[in-house]
Amino acid sequence: AQSVSQHNHHVILSEAASLELGCNYSYGGTVNLFWYVQYPGQHLQLLLKYFSGDPLVKGIKGFEAEFIKSKFSFNLRKPSVQWSDTAEYFCAVNGGGGSYIPTFGRGTSLIVHP
Amino acid sequence: GAGVSQSPRYKVAKRGQDVALRCDPISGHVSLFWYQQALGQGPEFLTYFQNEAQLDKSGLPSDRFFAERPEGSVSTLKIQRTQQEDSAVYLCASSLAGLSTDTQYFGPGTRLTVL
Repeated sequence: AQSVSQHNHHVILSEAASLELGCNYSYGGTVNLFWYVQYPGQHLQLLLKYFSGDPLVKGIKGFEAEFIKSKFSFNLRKPSVQWSDTAEYFCAVNGGGGSYIPTFGRGTSLIVHP
Repeated sequence: GAGVSQSPRYKVAKRGQDVALRCDPISGHVSLFWYQQALGQGPEFLTYFQNEAQLDKSGLPSDRFFAERPEGSVSTLKIQRTQQEDSAVYLCASSLAGLSTDTQYFGPGTRLTVL
């Protein structure tokens, strides 16, 4: 069974600091990779996703993620965080082809101090 | 346009009671997923529908859990004889097609507390 690890469960940063949230998965085949975000009081929503092509993916609000196949990783980055980035971030993976069931990591809680 | 809606938003049940949780997906979305999210954890897959067909129910934790989507739109997750370990947030998500690359659109969830 595939699993997803998010090593940082709680991250606290000051505004303008750089962010990198780790995501590693265990699955040897073709994968589709997602980052979802849940802002306080809101639904989970897609931040970005990768399924083929350029391994550096850009998403909404200045976020990007890089798929490194050899490391089974899909880390999320933002060069300069804002207070409004305070949220819960979830990495999710599904096996490509017909495997549509995603496995989610346990999430990283990000708090950005103004 | 309207997003995914779920009702009720909060449900308190006594142990042993049956509950029914409703999900209204985005109109026209073929796929519908149910997840269970325990406190401090990520969503865990329960079951998946493509239109009215339940294609995967491998995540349902016991035969007390049952889901249906009879007309291919609204779905209901039913939990019989609730137990304390059923306390969690139940999330519903829909996606446009049945592709593994599809974005899932989540509802607000139903927080179930079993006393």
